[in-house]
Amino acid sequence: DTGVSQDPRHKITKRGQNVTFRCDPISEHNRLYWYRQTLGQGPEFLTYFQNEAQLEKSRLLSDRFSAERPKGSFSTLEIQRTEQGDSAMYLCASSSGTGENIQYFGAGTRLSVL
Amino acid sequence: AQSVSQHNHHVILSEAASLELGCNYSYGGTVNLFWYVQYPGQHLQLLLKYFSGDPLVKGIKGFEAEFIKSKFSFNLRKPSVQWSDTAEYFCAVNDRAGNNRKLIWGLGTSLAVNP
Repeated sequence: DTGVSQDPRHKITKRGQNVTFRCDPISEHNRLYWYRQTLGQGPEFLTYFQNEAQLEKSRLLSDRFSAERPKGSFSTLEIQRTEQGDSAMYLCASSSGTGENIQYFGAGTRLSVL
Repeated sequence: AQSVSQHNHHVILSEAASLELGCNYSYGGTVNLFWYVQYPGQHLQLLLKYFSGDPLVKGIKGFEAEFIKSKFSFNLRKPSVQWSDTAEYFCAVNDRAGNNRKLIWGLGTSLAVNP
């Protein structure tokens, strides 16, 4: 499968625990995006990388959230001290950064904070 | 700030009925427009897009959309829906002049097609 892959698909955690999600973009895509989607809503932009540089962060991304893309390939999104309000689907997308720059999405990681 | 409004949150149709889903956006600059679809249990997939040129664009599975600049609209249409079109449909825009091209999304429309 050469699409965007995310791991894990589902994560259940207790409030206050830390969680980390991984996203592997389409090979050679230099742009990577994280979005969050809650029930009944469209996705909301969280952050964006071009290669290894994090170029924009949404105000939605509180200090408890951190994202990295150390080698410009896969990315991780960590949430520290999770809260029930963090329960959502976390989506990753990648794009080539050239031409039409279409974003291709992974299946997402569904986080449930108990 | 950019925003996207989808008028219908839940639509129920019978097979062979015609479909039109409304999408309006709010933004003063030049935008790229998208419709994405999410079938049950699957990831978001691009249905069609408008960047420039002919304002009537055709996508996969018989879908089309028309960009009307004066109305800031990008409505999705299909003349005859099938049961397999049951899915969540999202309209999205991004700033063509912007560097990051982040997508701004509508709330989505849940379409259920009865056989």
